[in-house]
Amino acid sequence: NAGVTQTPKFRILKIGQSMTLQCTQDMNHNYMYWYRQDPGMGLKLIYYSVGAGITDKGEVPNGYNVSRSTTEDFPLRLELAAPSQTSVYFCASSYNSNQPQHFGDGTRLSIL
Amino acid sequence: DAKTTQPPSMDCAEGRAANLPCNHSTISGNEYVYWYRQIHSQGPQYIIHGLKNNETNEMASLIITEDRKSSTLILPHATLRDTAVYYCIVRGGANSGYALNFGKGTSLLVTP
Repeated sequence: NAGVTQTPKFRILKIGQSMTLQCTQDMNHNYMYWYRQDPGMGLKLIYYSVGAGITDKGEVPNGYNVSRSTTEDFPLRLELAAPSQTSVYFCASSYNSNQPQHFGDGTRLSIL
Repeated sequence: DAKTTQPPSMDCAEGRAANLPCNHSTISGNEYVYWYRQIHSQGPQYIIHGLKNNETNEMASLIITEDRKSSTLILPHATLRDTAVYYCIVRGGANSGYALNFGKGTSLLVTP
């Protein structure tokens, strides 16, 4: 009963490095989302996907890229890490637009 | 997309009902109200959602006013483990993939 799985749980990057945050779900959900949460704030949407092969920008997409080659996986790519991208990143999924979103446990990313 | 207004913090004694209010005066007719909570820095946890009728599940009850401009989440017998930040959310429209618009929520403290 895995649900939404995110890896890694923690990561420290140097400025300018790149990395991919992994997200996979085993619920056959069509919709997937990436959010970021800065300290003391609510979540903000980075990118979303309504199905394999389809992605679109959310509220704060700059500095990030995504792909959705399968229903299960929705990786988030940081190409040139910047201190402003220090945050907690959450991946979520839902079966359709009316069903609740289920969240992973997050990836805590620090960029120094 | 409709905005929501919640008190920043509330207290509740253990064993008593916790009533968390939310205003969403700009909600449109086909927009759902969702409630999530976040414990420490874990991923948000879905609680309940509704359109216009009152809803109840094993976790909570949701009371929506007849004009749909406000709602109340009720935790009938609060426990210490219900201490969390509670988010009242009116889900975004199709242009955001129906993403959840998180604000700052209400920080609920359940005391012994």
